[in-house]
Amino acid sequence: AQSVTQLGSHVSVSEGALVLLRCNYSSSVPPYLFWYVQYPNQGLQLLLKYTSAATLVKGINGFEAEFKKSETSFHLTKPSAHMSDAAEYFCAVSEGTNAGKSTFGDGTTLTVKP
Amino acid sequence: NAGVMQNPRHLVRRRGQEARLRCSPMKGHSHVYWYRQLPEEGLKFMVYLQKENIIDESGMPKERFSAEFPKEGPSILRIQQVVRGDSAAYFCASSPTGQETQYFGPGTRLLVL
Repeated sequence: AQSVTQLGSHVSVSEGALVLLRCNYSSSVPPYLFWYVQYPNQGLQLLLKYTSAATLVKGINGFEAEFKKSETSFHLTKPSAHMSDAAEYFCAVSEGTNAGKSTFGDGTTLTVKP
Repeated sequence: NAGVMQNPRHLVRRRGQEARLRCSPMKGHSHVYWYRQLPEEGLKFMVYLQKENIIDESGMPKERFSAEFPKEGPSILRIQQVVRGDSAAYFCASSPTGQETQYFGPGTRLLVL
């Protein structure tokens, strides 16, 4: 069985500040991990994914995430927030290579203040 | 290359009616996944289909819900005798082989009155 916990349903940062969105997972086998972004009334867009290669993964829009097996974490960061980053972010885990049957966290809403 | 298409984008039904949600995967993708997103929650896996086959339906409610992905045409998620609790956003995703990144459609937002 697999599960995902996103700590903090709402995160607020000032424009230009560091963004840190937390994700912890559990999986009985080596996991594949994903971060997605969802803008209002739209589908999910993949930001980045970890598939057992490099533990530091770089994604689109300046985001990156680090896979830490010892902490079972996959936190998402961005050095400097932009107003356009305001959205909902979802962490997801899948077991093995089947990315489709993913288990999603409940999401974190990111607000960026001017 | 068009992305994953879903229609309708918004659907309103009264209790007891049927809802049909359609998903056209990206060109060349033969694997389709359906997810449901309830308000204030993450996406929950419902069903995984390949052309003409249901691979995994472990997330589908036992009654009233069914899905298909025919040889020709879009994948269909069918909800019979809808109830208010079915109100949610339903997302479809597709991938070429089932072992790669999935691409999401814009979703269908179902409202049951």
